Amino acid sequence: QVQLHQWGAGLLKPSETLSLTCGVFGGPFTDYNWNWIRQPPGKGLEWIGEIMHSGSTNYNPSLKSRVTVSIDTSQNQFSLKLTSVTAADTAMYFCARGPPIAAAGRFNWFDPWGQGTPVTVSS
Amino acid sequence: EIVMTQSPATLSVSPGERATLSCRASQSISRNLAWYQQKPGQAPRLLIYGASTRATGIPARFSGSGSGTDFTLTISSLQSDDFAVYYCQQHNDWPPWTFGQGTKVDLK
Repeated sequence: QVQLHQWGAGLLKPSETLSLTCGVFGGPFTDYNWNWIRQPPGKGLEWIGEIMHSGSTNYNPSLKSRVTVSIDTSQNQFSLKLTSVTAADTAMYFCARGPPIAAAGRFNWFDPWGQGTPVTVSS
Repeated sequence: EIVMTQSPATLSVSPGERATLSCRASQSISRNLAWYQQKPGQAPRLLIYGASTRATGIPARFSGSGSGTDFTLTISSLQSDDFAVYYCQQHNDWPPWTFGQGTKVDLK
């Protein structure tokens, strides 16, 4: 059964770069897309971006200028970088797998999810 | 961007009762809708995709329906484990994939 485990720095100062990594264990890494989603304290979910096994990416237009998602197929990992963070970027950040591309095509829902990484931006 | 609106914000239900949650899309999304359950301190869990297909391991008391712009998640007989926040997500058009703001199901 595939599991996602994520890690990275949880306390940042304004203007710094958020950096998180998600490892995929116990399941295939190819034939899926891989996602980052965040949730501000007490609020709803916001999709950040996705990356295919090929390295092709799509981002939320609201964050596109500051986001980079990358993939390391040799390590079964993918990563998120968000530059120039502010207090508005304070949130729980989740990684998540999309459905099998062969079955779902371009459609994307999220299962399973990583455990979440709390990120606080404060001076 | 497709805006997803959930109602009600809070639904108070007694164990054993039926719970009906609604989700509306700002434009037609065919049947491309997913539902998630989130408990405090946990990641969301996929319940339903394609409007009505239960994810692996999801009990039959959870069912989804709808198409176009209006969708429903029904929990046929609420169990104590079902008190949580439920989110809908459209998987029809991107970027971005978008979520509703959530419905909290709590104890009546």
